Amino acid sequence: KAGVTQTPRYLIKTRGQQVTLSCSPISGHRSVSWYQQTPGQGLQFLFEYFSETQRNKGNFPGRFSGRQFSNSRSEMNVSTLELGDSALYLCASSLKPGTSGAQETQYFGPGTRLLVL
Amino acid sequence: QQPVQSPQAVILREGEDAVINCSSSKALYSVHWYRQKHGEAPVFLMILLKGGEQKGHEKISASFNEKKQQSSLYLTASQLSYSGTYFCGTVSGGSNYKLTFGKGTLLTVNP
Repeated sequence: KAGVTQTPRYLIKTRGQQVTLSCSPISGHRSVSWYQQTPGQGLQFLFEYFSETQRNKGNFPGRFSGRQFSNSRSEMNVSTLELGDSALYLCASSLKPGTSGAQETQYFGPGTRLLVL
Repeated sequence: QQPVQSPQAVILREGEDAVINCSSSKALYSVHWYRQKHGEAPVFLMILLKGGEQKGHEKISASFNEKKQQSSLYLTASQLSYSGTYFCGTVSGGSNYKLTFGKGTLLTVNP
């Protein structure tokens, strides 16, 4: 079974531009989560989507947004890019969202490395 | 609240053992452990549910003390392939289920 795929793998943008990143989950997985990874902060949760609905959101400004399509593929968008947005953006998929009574394992993609100049 | 991992980094010789700790200030439902090699995706190792169970994956095992909100990852007879950054992700109580990750522990295994 193919793993989580993310495109593009590398991206260079300038301040003020916007960017769209794409994630295709493992076949059959319907929940997609996005994380930002930086050397200083580690992995930080951005948001989670299931059934085309945002279920959960981390503490990021409104410039960060996302969506999910009917085939479970997801995109995230960052508008008005800032230098501090330079990071590795990771997508993770699971069969369904976890709950306190039923934990779900998340499987990560290779990430998109974004550099903002 | 981000869980705290210790140590931040550890260097081993092949065959040596290591312990990586993960502590949270919140009551936990579960702890998820991942390993990430440089330039690669984090790879799932194991999940521990509240109840103090211990799980194993080859020569890597882990425990979860829910009373102390702590988990420890044990790497025995380390191999070169164990090198990487280990992350613990925790799920706390409340209606919003989300994984909150620690900043990671960089493990280097030398020949």
